[in-house]
Amino acid sequence: ETGVTQTPRHLVMGMTNKKSLKCEQHLGHNAMYWYKQSAKKPLELMFVYSLEERVENNSVPSRFSPECPNSSHLFLHLHTLQPEDSALYLCASSQGAGGFTEAFFGQGTRLTVV
Amino acid sequence: SQKIEQNSEALNIQEGKTATLTCNYTNYSPAYLQWYRQDPGRGPVFLLLIRENEKEKRKERLKVTFDTTLKQSLFHITASQPADSATYLCALERGSTLGRLYFGRGTQLTVWP
Repeated sequence: ETGVTQTPRHLVMGMTNKKSLKCEQHLGHNAMYWYKQSAKKPLELMFVYSLEERVENNSVPSRFSPECPNSSHLFLHLHTLQPEDSALYLCASSQGAGGFTEAFFGQGTRLTVV
Repeated sequence: SQKIEQNSEALNIQEGKTATLTCNYTNYSPAYLQWYRQDPGRGPVFLLLIRENEKEKRKERLKVTFDTTLKQSLFHITASQPADSATYLCALERGSTLGRLYFGRGTQLTVWP
């Protein structure tokens, strides 16, 4: 275990559904990230939170809405997704600003949009 | 924009041999370059980090080199074992945006007995 826990591990949702992905870390890190991994494509950085403040949004469609209520928890709220949004969604944490340490990834949520 | 290329999608080698994986990048030089291992259905796991002013870094059977002139990093696994079979990802981090990682597509390594 890396210390980063994601739930659920698998999710199937219709295009009109609303669902949320959850990520939790108890490593004392101050930065958390959402990445998307599609088949045959590199991991894509979606959102960055540093000290609970969103510091980056990589042109992600508004149907993806992140939330970081505290330094240990990160959510990704999903609504009206498209089939092309089907992918593995990975959460990660690190020490963030002030010097770099490695990123710790969760196991991911395998999302299928039908 | 930054482009990160890993030499091949797949690499097959015999047990005991040295596996060498390549990561090439264009445009800006990263402050840090990292290598991760990813097994099917799991998140990436950090292996090694090398800084722009370092030429080489070692950890057990792993070795990473970093050539900022060639804009290339090489990742070596010596005395490879079937358990080393996985996808290996190269990731770059800029000094101006510490913490943000930009990944290559990965190389799927298979070590056969």
